[in-house]
Amino acid sequence: DAGVIQSPRHEVTEMGQEVTLRCKPISGHDYLFWYRQTMMRGLELLIYFNNNVPIDDSGMPEDRFSAKMPNASFSTLKIQPSEPRDSAVYFCASSFPLWGSTDTQYFGPGTRLTVL
Amino acid sequence: AQTVTQSQPEMSVQEAETVTLSCTYDTSESNYYLFWYKQPPSRQMILVIRQEAYKQQNATENRFSVNFQKAAKSFSLKISDSQLGDTAMYFCAFTNSGNTPLVFGKGTRLSVIA
Repeated sequence: DAGVIQSPRHEVTEMGQEVTLRCKPISGHDYLFWYRQTMMRGLELLIYFNNNVPIDDSGMPEDRFSAKMPNASFSTLKIQPSEPRDSAVYFCASSFPLWGSTDTQYFGPGTRLTVL
Repeated sequence: AQTVTQSQPEMSVQEAETVTLSCTYDTSESNYYLFWYKQPPSRQMILVIRQEAYKQQNATENRFSVNFQKAAKSFSLKISDSQLGDTAMYFCAFTNSGNTPLVFGKGTRLSVIA
């Protein structure tokens, strides 16, 4: 398996522009997580899905952020309009929990977003 | 709310030596899962080792082992025979049963010196 795939790997944009980050989870995984990593706040959850349904979006900073999972193999995280404080590394992770257990979350390579 | 604390922002170790990274956590749950992830300069998050709280035996993966002290809520990572490729940020993480999101510590930056 190719692992979790994220695109783009790097994104540089100007304040006010729309940014779309993409994620393809590992085939068969039914949980998908979006995390953000910054120097100040470390790694924090933004939102996660189970079977394409958002379960908890309490980590989404504000209305400028939105996430969708239209099918089991694709998710997007959109920022509109973007601001310099959104500059961070955004990770997507997926997992497949066995009954009565918690499986490991596998991370994509991340997208480094820079908003000028 | 669960919290994870890594009290050592930076550490260094000589090549071939042993180093221990500390992690403590706070939870009221009785069953949960703990992880150590490695993040090299490439920024890829790589699973190093995991531990189920209901298991008394400490997990081991080659040169990596943990010291899990449930009563003390402590989960330290020991790296034996350190190698230059072990240079990275190391994150301790916690999750409850059922695939809830990971809660991460702030990380420890480990440098292995030749």
